[in-house]
Amino acid sequence: DVKVTQSSRYLVKRTGEKVFLECVQDMDHENMFWYRQDPGLGLRLIYFSYDVKMKEKGDIPEGYSVSREKKERFSLILESASTNQTSMYLCASRLAGSGYNEQFFGPGTRLTVL
Amino acid sequence: AQSVTQPDIHITVSEGASLELRCNYSYGATPYLFWYVQSPGQGLQLLLKYFSGDTLVQGIKGFEAEFKRSQSSFNLRKPSVHWSDAAEYFCAVGGSAAGNKLTFGGGTRVLVKP
Repeated sequence: DVKVTQSSRYLVKRTGEKVFLECVQDMDHENMFWYRQDPGLGLRLIYFSYDVKMKEKGDIPEGYSVSREKKERFSLILESASTNQTSMYLCASRLAGSGYNEQFFGPGTRLTVL
Repeated sequence: AQSVTQPDIHITVSEGASLELRCNYSYGATPYLFWYVQSPGQGLQLLLKYFSGDTLVQGIKGFEAEFKRSQSSFNLRKPSVHWSDAAEYFCAVGGSAAGNKLTFGGGTRVLVKP
């Protein structure tokens, strides 16, 4: 079974802090994604990575950056956390190739910025 | 740009009754369509997906979905709901024209009455 793990289930940070969210997958997937999930808005893509050291902006990249130094790990960075970044963050991975390949999701990190 | 609309934010259904969740999409090419379920406190799990072929797709947990190109719809159905089906359901569209990225709908939360 594919396993996608996220470093924390719950995280509380203060405004202005630098925040790191870590995601690790164990299936040698090339593609990895970071989403945020807000009520009524579904999942919105923040950043994605087609392979190691590659990254592309999604639909809502402002205020975020990412790092993919190893194939299995994809990090989301909030350079200076703000209260409007309070949300559920979901990581996903998928095998490259056909768009028919599904994305596998981690359990999510619920981030609260005070 | 691709988009997904799930018109129903909440649906309440009695245990044993049938369930239908609506999904309408906008996509300029051949779409890949997915339904995911998110149980409380969990990540997203794939229920089923459609790429081509038979427009009625069977998934896990007794769910099925029907692709109707003329109506740009991909509605999810289950003949008899169980209490464990209480969850949030997300429809998503993607495809090669979009770099195989997915766009999600806002989600439908299903409540099951005993």
